[in-house]
Amino acid sequence: GAVVSQHPSRVICKSGTSVKIECRSLDFQATTMFWYRQFPKQSLMLMATSNEGSKATYEQGVEKDKFLINHASLTLSTLTVTSAHPEDSSFYICSAYDSSGANVLTFGAGSRLTVL
Amino acid sequence: QKEVEQNSGPLSVPEGAIASLNCTYSDRGSQSFFWYRQYSGKSPELIMFIYSNGDKEDGRFTAQLNKASQYVSLLIRDSQPSDSATYLCAVDYNNNDMRFGAGTRLTVKP
Repeated sequence: GAVVSQHPSRVICKSGTSVKIECRSLDFQATTMFWYRQFPKQSLMLMATSNEGSKATYEQGVEKDKFLINHASLTLSTLTVTSAHPEDSSFYICSAYDSSGANVLTFGAGSRLTVL
Repeated sequence: QKEVEQNSGPLSVPEGAIASLNCTYSDRGSQSFFWYRQYSGKSPELIMFIYSNGDKEDGRFTAQLNKASQYVSLLIRDSQPSDSATYLCAVDYNNNDMRFGAGTRLTVKP
């Protein structure tokens, strides 16, 4: 089946630094990938839709200058949290539709960010 | 407004019982419906999807869809403690527009 690989799985950083999270589709091409954020005991929140070769589409309330998304190839999307602060600490998950045509959304394993 | 509603729970059932999880959605034009399971600290994983009215069975899981009532459910038969997780209902409104419910937390007690 389709596999979405996400790296790193855990990252701890100091306040004010930037953190990059990578999302790769391993056995299929993904023109579109999705980035979610999930705070403890809360639901998935869609942050943005990453489009290969064009600008990402951000959900209302998500700062595009803070959460930089780059989708430079058909298998890789990156999310960079710039000037991270403790309130950005969360579980970030990427996903993509697999290539089966069944509209199944496959998720990466997630990246837990802790900002000190 | 495209909404997906779930009872947040927690829903607690004894081992071996049937767990029933419910979901309603707002857009009648929705075509695809999904159930995901999410263990604590992990990302969601697909359990099953359903496109047509009626029931779809996969092992101990049965998805039920009623488009007229805009209602989709998931039944888990012979519930096991390992089924304890949060179950997310997802509705694909128009290809590439997947909306998730808040999830129902299920606890299966031994």
